[in-house]
Amino acid sequence: YVLTQPPSVSVAPGRTARITCGGDNVGSKNVHWYQQKPGQAPVVVISSDSDRPSGIPERFSGSNFGNTATLTISGVEAGDEADYFCQVWDVGPDEAVFGAGTKLTVL
Amino acid sequence: EVQLVESGGSVVRPGGSLKLSCVASGFSLDDYGMNWVRQAPGKGLEWVSGINWNGVNRGYRDSVKGRFTISRDNDENSLFLEMNSLRAEDTALYYCARGPVAAYVGVFDSWGQGTLVTVSS
Repeated sequence: YVLTQPPSVSVAPGRTARITCGGDNVGSKNVHWYQQKPGQAPVVVISSDSDRPSGIPERFSGSNFGNTATLTISGVEAGDEADYFCQVWDVGPDEAVFGAGTKLTVL
Repeated sequence: EVQLVESGGSVVRPGGSLKLSCVASGFSLDDYGMNWVRQAPGKGLEWVSGINWNGVNRGYRDSVKGRFTISRDNDENSLFLEMNSLRAEDTALYYCARGPVAAYVGVFDSWGQGTLVTVSS
């Protein structure tokens, strides 16, 4: 199972960033999103399509329909600059699958 | 506070073996599934293996099947990854990651800082 993410997304501070994750009927799966800053371990920012873990700002939201899941970051801040990875579980081979990651640049 | 601390990474020759450990604190390890996820230098995340709460159910990615073995010791709050027949392509930072309650399938909600494995002659 393949998840496709854009390599990079750029956005000005205060604007809205949308990072997509495409996959065959991905809307039927639970999609999780991780933020990874340089030299740090990943942190989950959205689980199960749209759940926001405690401590994650409300600016982070997620959706998942059809063949595309989307991570939306509203009011982007400089501190949001990071790599973002989407992830699903592929039941057939029983393995977790990650997208290749999207580098978010705050202009 | 949930903490996961990995150890055991080092430089090893192709064909060699290594055993990684992950010590958990701040939660009851035996309530959760656990996983190993790796990241090659400058690359993305790649799931390696997972184990359910009692060790009965285990999963591996195809490229490590037959070479890697995941295990756990709940009494010692520890997760392990035994790696044999190591290849250059196994070179990566190996993260220990907590899965959902009971199973290993799902979201990885806590991660350690990783331990580096380098396979080189």
